Amino acid sequence: GENVEQHPSTLSVQEGDSAVIKCTYSDSASNYFPWYKQELGKRPQLIIDIRSNVGEKKDQRIAVTLNKTAKHFSLHITETQPEDSAVYFCAASGSGGSYIPTFGRGTSLIVHP
Amino acid sequence: SQTIHQWPATLVQPVGSPLSLECTVEGTSNPNLYWYRQAAGRGLQLLFYSVGIGQISSEVPQNLSASRPQDRQFILSSKKLLLSDSGFYLCAWTAGVIETQYFGPGTRLLVL
Repeated sequence: GENVEQHPSTLSVQEGDSAVIKCTYSDSASNYFPWYKQELGKRPQLIIDIRSNVGEKKDQRIAVTLNKTAKHFSLHITETQPEDSAVYFCAASGSGGSYIPTFGRGTSLIVHP
Repeated sequence: SQTIHQWPATLVQPVGSPLSLECTVEGTSNPNLYWYRQAAGRGLQLLFYSVGIGQISSEVPQNLSASRPQDRQFILSSKKLLLSDSGFYLCAWTAGVIETQYFGPGTRLLVL
């Protein structure tokens, strides 16, 4: 089955800095890669996603890049703000027609004012 | 638009008591439905998923069970709760295989 590794587990930055979270996946058949943000005590919510026919996608301060050859994808947050502090999860799905996405273990992002 | 509901929002139960958590989805037909559990500060553990009425797949066989009595209703149950069942229970749905998962607001369960 699919395996997703996510790094780092904790990331601490100063307000205004950039933050990068990386995920690698094992199954080259995976073709959909969403990123979720989970604030303390809340549900995970989709912030951006990318499909395997696209190399990069941006939405304001957030971008995701995908390298299919190397089987890794990354979340980039620019000009971080304290409200970006949360746990971020990456996921990979579509492998073998499976209905089950494989999630990374999460990255706790702390943005210091 | 689609909406997903979960209840109750919080629950405190004694060890050995039964459990029933409910999840319903509005605004879509034949969704794929999922139950996850999240321990404090940890990742998402898939418990059950369902691709249709009466079709349940278990990922973690424990003292929990799931049922899907209607197309947009998913229920998580236990006959006897354990201390280790404490956690944040999330229901989720997708429209297809390669689609975004949308999570419900969650149920925070504390077993004492």
